Amino acid sequence: DVKVTQSSRYLVKRTGEKVFLECVQDMDHENMFWYRQDPGLGLRLIYFSYDVKMKEKGDIPEGYSVSREKKERFSLILESASTNQTSMYLCASSPGYSNQPQHFGDGTRLSIL
Amino acid sequence: AQKITQTQPGMFVQEKEAVTLDCTYDTSDPSYGLFWYKQPSSGEMIFLIYQGSYDQQNATEGRYSLNFQKARKSANLVISASQLGDSAMYFCAMREATPLTQGGSEKLVFGKGTKLTVNP
Repeated sequence: DVKVTQSSRYLVKRTGEKVFLECVQDMDHENMFWYRQDPGLGLRLIYFSYDVKMKEKGDIPEGYSVSREKKERFSLILESASTNQTSMYLCASSPGYSNQPQHFGDGTRLSIL
Repeated sequence: AQKITQTQPGMFVQEKEAVTLDCTYDTSDPSYGLFWYKQPSSGEMIFLIYQGSYDQQNATEGRYSLNFQKARKSANLVISASQLGDSAMYFCAMREATPLTQGGSEKLVFGKGTKLTVNP
């Protein structure tokens, strides 16, 4: 089975802090994604990566950056956390074939105080 | 731009009955894929079923089936013999099938979801 592991289920940080959310997948997938999920807004794509050291902006990249130094790991970085970044963050991975689903981690509930 | 619409914010069904969750989509791409995911209250997103735009038959996976009507641009999820554990949020999503190497995107566009409650 595909396993996508996010480093924390719950995280509490303060405004202005630099926050790292880590995601690791064990299936040698080319593609990795970061989404945020908010009530009434559904899932929105922040960033994605289709290869090591490659990244593409999603729909809401402002205030975020990403890093993919190794194929299995995709990190989301909040450079200076703000209260409007309180949300559920979901990481996903997929192979490079269009009929294959994205597999998600368990999510990180991030609260910025 | 691609768009997914789920018009039912909430649905209720009696245990052991069947339920249909609606999904309509909009895209100008001739090639695309449609996915359904389940999200229990614990938060993880669980893949349920996939339908490709060129698939001739409706997809089925156990108690899940997809009622795919291409001309109407609808991809409704049917859950047969509902169980209490089916209570969750359900999301419909679409991805264009053109590979990245040909200028496509692997991004998924999600609907806003339907909350299904199964009553005993």
